[in-house]
Amino acid sequence: SYVLTQPPSVSVAPGKTARITCGGNNIGTKGVHWYQQRPGQAPLLVIYDETDRPSGIPERFSGTNSDNTATLTISRVEAGDEATYYCQIWESSGDHWVFGGGTKLTVL
Amino acid sequence: EVHLWESGGGLVQPWGSLRLSCVASDFTFSNYAMAWVRQAPGKGLEWVSSISGSSESTYYADSVKGRFTISRDNSKNTLSLQMNSLRVEDTAIYYCAKVRMGARVNDWYFAHWGRGTLVTVSS
Repeated sequence: SYVLTQPPSVSVAPGKTARITCGGNNIGTKGVHWYQQRPGQAPLLVIYDETDRPSGIPERFSGTNSDNTATLTISRVEAGDEATYYCQIWESSGDHWVFGGGTKLTVL
Repeated sequence: EVHLWESGGGLVQPWGSLRLSCVASDFTFSNYAMAWVRQAPGKGLEWVSSISGSSESTYYADSVKGRFTISRDNSKNTLSLQMNSLRVEDTAIYYCAKVRMGARVNDWYFAHWGRGTLVTVSS
């Protein structure tokens, strides 16, 4: 089955740029979506179709996807961005949805 | 704004059964596939099951296949998950989610989520 690999943690100072990666075999050929989950809350979609933002999500959130790595980039990081971020794809071969293990973003 | 309200969670013994429900509002329920996603305590997200808008197609994670059954009642805007033969490892918060189609062929994601309902399997 398809595996998505994320770093367990990323730390960044306020105002700087955070980059969270999601690795997978030829992930560049798949649609990648990103979710933010703050402690004690339900997940929230922040990026869909690799680069698009739902309404209400700040422009500071952006995504890229190429070859074997998709990346969520958060510019001008704020304290409120502290959360765990998950990437997700749909695996057509098995009709399964797959999540990465999640990356905890800490704002220093 | 989309609203999804889960209910039915609770404490159940191993090998027991539980039925979860999710009531949806503020969108045309029958037009969208729906899904259940769970999260064990301190762990990541795990997709459980999905169902098409017409109930024609259902999908299950290998970990629950044969034990869980997903269904929906479009007349009542309600999604359900019947969970049988529950195991300790099924302990989790269960989220109901609205599924949307991505831009690529055969691509789907979870556009909106409920707040979840906690299922605890323990003797």
